[in-house]
Amino acid sequence: DSGVTQTPKHLITATGQRVTLRCSPRSGDLSVYWYQQSLDQGLQFLIQYYNGEERAKGNILERFSAQQFPDLHSELNLSSLELGDSALYFCASSSGVGNTIYFGEGSWLTVV
Amino acid sequence: AQTVTQSQPEMSVQEAETVTLSCTYDTSESDYYLFWYKQPPSRQMILVIRQEAYKQQNATENRFSVNFQKAAKSFSLKISDSQLGDAAMYFCAYRSAKWAGNTPLVFGKGTRLSVIA
Repeated sequence: DSGVTQTPKHLITATGQRVTLRCSPRSGDLSVYWYQQSLDQGLQFLIQYYNGEERAKGNILERFSAQQFPDLHSELNLSSLELGDSALYFCASSSGVGNTIYFGEGSWLTVV
Repeated sequence: AQTVTQSQPEMSVQEAETVTLSCTYDTSESDYYLFWYKQPPSRQMILVIRQEAYKQQNATENRFSVNFQKAAKSFSLKISDSQLGDAAMYFCAYRSAKWAGNTPLVFGKGTRLSVIA
């Protein structure tokens, strides 16, 4: 158990819909990262938050947005969903200073 | 921008034998961290080993060791005495040390390792 909690674990939704993925980082970790992994693909970095503020942005679509709340949990919002958005979405957290980044178990999103 | 390249999409090894997975990276930074993550069929991301660029000594974790060649920008993973449970996708990853190391991981595309009984 990495200590990073993601919900829901599985989600099936229709094209055009909007979903929210939730992440609770490890206790004390200020940084949260979101990654997308499509079938048989590597991990694509989407976005990073540090203590409530956006720190780094990767290949995140405009239809996607995220935020980190005062209690440090984070949400990834995916809207106007397309079939190609079907993927495993990982949240990860770290405490900084080059420390290891720990991953949650991921949220499987299937768009039908 | 940093990039990580894993040139072996698939590898296989006999049980109890040794296998080496290759990874190269491109960066203009002098201080950074390198990682190997394992992703078994469950798709969970598991840290295997990490290396700080300022350390010349190669990292070792039980049966797993790395060969870190900073000048060549190479970071290979050696798995000794391979076990069936080692079968997984292995990802090499780079992390910049700027912002006190609070930076995202940049991943390679992965190497799928099969272990033959």
